[in-house]
Amino acid sequence: AQSVTQPDIHITVSEGASLELRCNYSYGATPYLFWYVQSPGQGLQLLLKYFSGDTLVQGIKGFEAEFKRSQSSFNLRKPSVHWSDAAEYFCAVGTRGAGGTSYGKLTFGQGTILTVHP
Amino acid sequence: DGGITQSPKYLFRKEGQNVTLSCEQNLNHDAMYWYRQDPGQGLRLIYYSQIVNDFQKGDIAEGYSVSREKKESFPLTVTSAQKNPTAFYLCASSGRALMTQYFGPGTRLTVL
Repeated sequence: AQSVTQPDIHITVSEGASLELRCNYSYGATPYLFWYVQSPGQGLQLLLKYFSGDTLVQGIKGFEAEFKRSQSSFNLRKPSVHWSDAAEYFCAVGTRGAGGTSYGKLTFGQGTILTVHP
Repeated sequence: DGGITQSPKYLFRKEGQNVTLSCEQNLNHDAMYWYRQDPGQGLRLIYYSQIVNDFQKGDIAEGYSVSREKKESFPLTVTSAQKNPTAFYLCASSGRALMTQYFGPGTRLTVL
């Protein structure tokens, strides 16, 4: 069974500093990988996704993530953090349903809460 | 605008009562999902549906029930059998042959 680990429960950075959120996954086949962001009391918003191809993927809000198969990692990065980036971030691995159906089960990590200091 | 709506945003219920959470999408997506979120535990899958009139249990289905009579709608009932129903509930949907799930704004259920 697949699993996702986000080692950092809480990260604090200063505004303007660079950011890296870690994500490690366990899955036997080629994974489908996602990063979502959630503001307090809100739903999840998709930041970016990796299905295949270029291992460095660009997302919204200036985020990027790099897929490293050898390390089973999909870390999220941003070169300069803004105060509005304060939120909780979730990494997820997806597995397609039987017969390649549209259903795809997502397994989520426990989340990393990002605090941004002015 | 296309999207997923959940209602109500906040819901209070007394112990022993069933309650139904609404989820509607106008994205023409085939698959719909219900997740439960508790602090520090990420999201856990309750039920999912790939097509109308068909649904499957997720990882934590006990004490919950669903129906899928229309493509656009996937209501979740939290029954009195659910021992710890206070949580944040999120609905999601995904399109044909696509893995990407899009989420609604959530419903916070509190049992008094």
